[in-house]
Formats: sequence, structure tokens, C-alpha cells
Amino acid sequence: GQNIDQPTEMTATEGAIVQINCTYQTSGFNGLFWYQQHAGEAPTFLSYNVLDGLEEKGRFSSFLSRSKGYSYLLLKELQMKDSASYLCAPETTSGTYKYIFGTGTRLKVLA
Amino acid sequence: EAGVTQFPSHSVIEKGQTVTLRCDPISGHDNLYWYRRVMGKEIKFLLHFVKESKQDESGMPNNRFLAERTGGTYSTLKVQPAELEDSGVYFCASSQDRGGHEQYFGPGTRLTVT
Repeated sequence: GQNIDQPTEMTATEGAIVQINCTYQTSGFNGLFWYQQHAGEAPTFLSYNVLDGLEEKGRFSSFLSRSKGYSYLLLKELQMKDSASYLCAPETTSGTYKYIFGTGTRLKVLA
Repeated sequence: EAGVTQFPSHSVIEKGQTVTLRCDPISGHDNLYWYRRVMGKEIKFLLHFVKESKQDESGMPNNRFLAERTGGTYSTLKVQPAELEDSGVYFCASSQDRGGHEQYFGPGTRLTVT
């Protein structure tokens, strides 16, 4: 079956670092995407990992271990505007290329 | 470049009625996806078009849902007749290529069935 696990909620302080973990089980794995979604808005792309290791993009980094079915999103120098839901989305090739979403992690950044 | 647009932004209908949601993908994007999020649950895949062809409709809940993409441009998702459990946010996304490519999401249509 397909299963994605990530924490439901996290709270952190402005300026801090937070790591959002995601474990997944999917068939036909083709890489993993992270999306950010502010309340009432469209999900927006943050990162994509296809190979094991860390991908860094400004304040955001994402890590993937294919053998462990594990990824994390690292957010540095947190800002208030980072308060949002973060969606872990493995891409599967079962049927077609499509995302399998987790329930998302709601991050609250406090002043 | 205009993003993915969806219409309407919000629809409130009664059980048994019909609703049609529309999605306009980014121009030139052959791949169009429909997803749905029901209250408190994760976003779930419904189906995938490449141009006007359905590549995978394994996520469509039942035969009350009909998606079309005539001409390979915009797409519609019709729910007929609507049931209470169809309430949720319906997202459309498009991408230029399949596999390993970012999908651009629209703002979603919030459907409320009463």
C-alpha cells in the first residue's frame, strides 16, 4: 500500500531552525517533492529530491534517503511568513506519474 | 505568465444537484491533474490528462464524477448527482512534462454540498 507519515503540527520561534520529517511507503517511487501551502491558497513548490542526499535552496533544504523511505525539510532563519502547511509528496509511477500526499505539517512560527 | 486558474472559487449546492468545476492550466502544459482534499484528510489524486487523453483515472471516487479535457486545453470536472461526502476542495495542477517535474497548482474550488 501507500503510506505517508509526517507530524501534524509543529511550533517554532522566529529565527530558529526547524526540521519536518516524512516517512513514506509507495510503489514505483520516482522522487519526492515538498510543497508549502498557506491557508486557503494553492500549494507551491519548494523542493524535489530524486537522489539520496541533501538539496539546499536558500533558507530551505531537503534531504532524501531512498533506502529508508525517509525525507526531511529543513527551514532555517524562520520568519513569520513561514507559518504554513508543509506537504510531503512522494511521486509514484503506479499508473502514471502522480503525487501521493501526506496530511501535511502545520507549522506555526511565533515571534 | 498566468498561473493555473480554477472556477468557481466556491460552490454551494444541494445534495442531488450537479456541479461543474473548470480548470485552465498554464498555457503549453500538456499534463493536467485533478486532486481533492476532503475535510481533515490529505490531498488525494483523482486523475491525470495528457493533452485530451486520460492517462490514469484510478483516483476517481465513482461514476458520479466525469472529467473531460476536450481539445487538450481547459478541463472540467462534473459531479452528478452530488452527495454530502463530495464536499471538499478540488485542486487542479498542470506540468510541462511528466515525472520529476514540478506541478503548478491552482487555488482550488471549495465545494460544499448541503
